Amino acid sequence: SAVISQKPSRDICQRGTSLTIQCQVDSQVTMMFWYRQQPGQSLTLIATANQGSEATYESGFVIDKFPISRPNLTFSTLTVSNMSPEDSSIYLCSVDSNEKLFFGSGTQLSVL
Amino acid sequence: LAKTTQPISMDSYEGQEVNITCSHNNIATNDYITWYQQFPSQGPRFIIQGYKTKVTNEVASLFIPADRKSSTLSLPRVSLSDTAVYYCLVGDITTGGYQKVTFGIGTKLQVIP
Repeated sequence: SAVISQKPSRDICQRGTSLTIQCQVDSQVTMMFWYRQQPGQSLTLIATANQGSEATYESGFVIDKFPISRPNLTFSTLTVSNMSPEDSSIYLCSVDSNEKLFFGSGTQLSVL
Repeated sequence: LAKTTQPISMDSYEGQEVNITCSHNNIATNDYITWYQQFPSQGPRFIIQGYKTKVTNEVASLFIPADRKSSTLSLPRVSLSDTAVYYCLVGDITTGGYQKVTFGIGTKLQVIP
């Protein structure tokens, strides 16, 4: 199994600002995933982050809005840029280990 | 990507067995079926995974018929702590990993005292 530490656990931000979410894994993993879960909704994949290469973004998500860093095999960050109230969601970091997904506890973001 | 269909919600009394069925009519040959559980304010947690027939672990059983177009998660003797959202995922997890898997809407299970 993999243990994931994600921070911050929650934040309240002003419109137009940016927030960087950090994800730390207790083991080396090839792929890390960033998901968004809007209130009462399912999880939507934002992007896949591989170490040493550009992140791969899903349809509807762009690098300028959600830049991702993956400096090593145990760490990644997701930045939510130029935030608007529509970005209010839970953001989840996930890793694929032994053909199973393990998730962080999420970052609950509220944008005023 | 194989899409999944699950009931939106289910209610069950404590101590009963709960069966949640997921339809995945266009499942591909290499696709696996995986179930996750999510409590409020937490990330999803792996429950069980299978390819065909029956899989059982300490938490649940997974029944997959021969045509693999559906699967049933069985939770024995549920308790109040099993109240959660249950997601059925279908995808080829062996090549390309979970980037080829999508979450459906999930089934909100409410266990009643």
